[in-house]
Amino acid sequence: TQLLEQSPQFLSIQEGENLTVYCNSSSVFSSLQWYRQEPGEGPVLLVTVVTGGEVKKLKRLTFQFGDARKDSSLHITAAQPGDTGLYLCAGEPGGSYIPTFGRGTSLIVHP
Amino acid sequence: GAVVSQHPSRVICKSGTSVKIECRSLDFQATTMFWYRQFPKQSLMLMATSNEGSKATYEQGVEKDKFLINHASLTLSTLTVTSAHPEDSSFYICSARGLAHMGSSYNEQFFGPGTRLTVL
Repeated sequence: TQLLEQSPQFLSIQEGENLTVYCNSSSVFSSLQWYRQEPGEGPVLLVTVVTGGEVKKLKRLTFQFGDARKDSSLHITAAQPGDTGLYLCAGEPGGSYIPTFGRGTSLIVHP
Repeated sequence: GAVVSQHPSRVICKSGTSVKIECRSLDFQATTMFWYRQFPKQSLMLMATSNEGSKATYEQGVEKDKFLINHASLTLSTLTVTSAHPEDSSFYICSARGLAHMGSSYNEQFFGPGTRLTVL
């Protein structure tokens, strides 16, 4: 059983389209992180969300943390080929200090 | 800030040999380091948690005698794949976590660039 359910698993879109990636759980997280990973490289931290209902923006990326701190979403506006990569959500449920990752969303943006 | 290096980036070895991978936090002290394994187009699979000065905690199904972890200092952890076999070929990634790094109170992980291991 995956503690963090991430969807969709694969996404192939055209440049300029919008998309949303979801990360859901039945557990409460003190914080959730979103990472982006390119092939052959390590994940790079994009953002950490901490407060329930929080919204953070990073240029064309908008991150939201659910009010109950059990889910999060990543919305990309006007996707560009440079957004192509594997997007991962991660967090530590409850009082655990052991991180858990979602399965990842593989995004391809075609020019 | 928050730079984690990993060495080597790529290694090819013969079956039966051992391979050591180093993970270093360059600009902060890492109280905890994590070792992951990743298969193509899949998420990260946590192998073990390494705390400085203590034994590593391995996830279920990970052989601790095969994947030796040493966290000798607050900036260095090593993973040694002993008697490697072709099925050990994978992308190995480490991450480091330091308390209150850069003024943040969140226990964020910062990842190394990964090591591609190929066992012939």
